[in-house]
Amino acid sequence: QSALTQPASVSGSPGQSITISCTGTSSDVGGYNYVSWYQQHPGKAPKLMIYEVSNRPSGVPDRFSGSKSGNTASLTISGLQAEDEADYYCSSYTSSSPVVFGGGTKLTVL
Amino acid sequence: QVQLVESGGGLVKPGGSLRLSCAASGFTFSDYYMSWIRQAPGKGLEWVSYISSSGSTIYYADSVKGRFTISRDNAKNSLYLQMNSLRAEDTAVYYCARLMTSDAFDIWGQGTMVTVSS
Repeated sequence: QSALTQPASVSGSPGQSITISCTGTSSDVGGYNYVSWYQQHPGKAPKLMIYEVSNRPSGVPDRFSGSKSGNTASLTISGLQAEDEADYYCSSYTSSSPVVFGGGTKLTVL
Repeated sequence: QVQLVESGGGLVKPGGSLRLSCAASGFTFSDYYMSWIRQAPGKGLEWVSYISSSGSTIYYADSVKGRFTISRDNAKNSLYLQMNSLRAEDTAVYYCARLMTSDAFDIWGQGTMVTVSS
């Protein structure tokens, strides 16, 4: 199972909005509403930020939102803050394997 | 509080074996599917294996199939990963994680480092 495709890096200034894309196929992202997003700070375990495409777990700020169109899912962070600087990973259920991750995107807050 | 704590990592020679453990607390362990996910140094996340709440359903990534065995002991609130025939490319931080019904991992341990080197 190939990894989902994410941009290697994105950047934005404090207060701005950024979007990270996650592209798959009709066998994963496009075929199911089981897309999740994780935030990982250096040396720390990943943290669930979005599940089922657009749902936020309790405690995750509403600055974080998720969406999907066709085979591409997106994570949008609005009102960017310094503490949002981290690596972000998407994942999806797939028809051939229980889960596949994206390659990860490094977010830099300028 | 809800917590997962991994242990058992270390340095092992190629071809060797290692058994990882994950101790769960703060939730009803036997109600949840559990999974192992790994991250090689400087690389992304890779799903390794998952096991159903009863242990009756198990899946493995192709990269570890036939070499790794996942298991659980619900009486001890523990998850395990037996790793045999280890290779250099198995070097990674190994995380245990709780799986939601929506295929999302909502609780993660702190990870345990496995280094395969001669």
